[in-house]
Amino acid sequence: KNQVEQSPQSLIILEGKNCTLQCNYTVSPFSNLRWYKQDTGRGPVSLTIMTFSENTKSNGRYTATLDADTKQSSLHITASQLSDSASYICVVIMYSSASKIIFGSGTRLSIRP
Amino acid sequence: ETGVTQTPRHLVMGMTNKKSLKCEQHLGHNAMYWYKQSAKKPLELMFVYSLEERVENNSVPSRFSPECPNSSHLFLHLHTLQPEDSALYLCASSQGDTGTENTGELFFGEGSRLTVL
Repeated sequence: KNQVEQSPQSLIILEGKNCTLQCNYTVSPFSNLRWYKQDTGRGPVSLTIMTFSENTKSNGRYTATLDADTKQSSLHITASQLSDSASYICVVIMYSSASKIIFGSGTRLSIRP
Repeated sequence: ETGVTQTPRHLVMGMTNKKSLKCEQHLGHNAMYWYKQSAKKPLELMFVYSLEERVENNSVPSRFSPECPNSSHLFLHLHTLQPEDSALYLCASSQGDTGTENTGELFFGEGSRLTVL
């Protein structure tokens, strides 16, 4: 069964600290993996896209990693800010199908001052 | 601003009402989607339209009826809904297939928060 599992379900950290969110998937055939940020009550916004051959990709203070062998990805946030409080959703795209987009349940991140 | 606009942002309706959600994309994309997002659950795909033709319907109850009059507009018509249909309904658009890195990036609207009483 094609699934995307994220951990932790929720996380609270102090402003300025770093954190890492995890994503494990069992999706095949794999095309690419994306991380989205979703602020409360708003639509998801793309942070990174990674293909099979990419191990790491950065977008400002966000760095995503991908291990296609173990089917794991992580999203590392450096020097967190209050505006980082949001849900972070891991999404895996199956190859060659516009509708085969598998979403994780998300990690709810709260940054405390 | 993602280029995908949804209205209304909030909707409260009774179980016997008929209402519609509207989505408009200004990105020139050729595929549009409706997703349902319930608390603590992954996004659930409801409908996919590609070039104005419905290509997928994930066994959604008939009380939800989509309409795609052109490649820029997508509607979700609602009638005789149930309280469990209360959720955030997200519209998204993409260009082409999502099977490669450089195409098919999903752009989401802000969502329509639906409450069924």
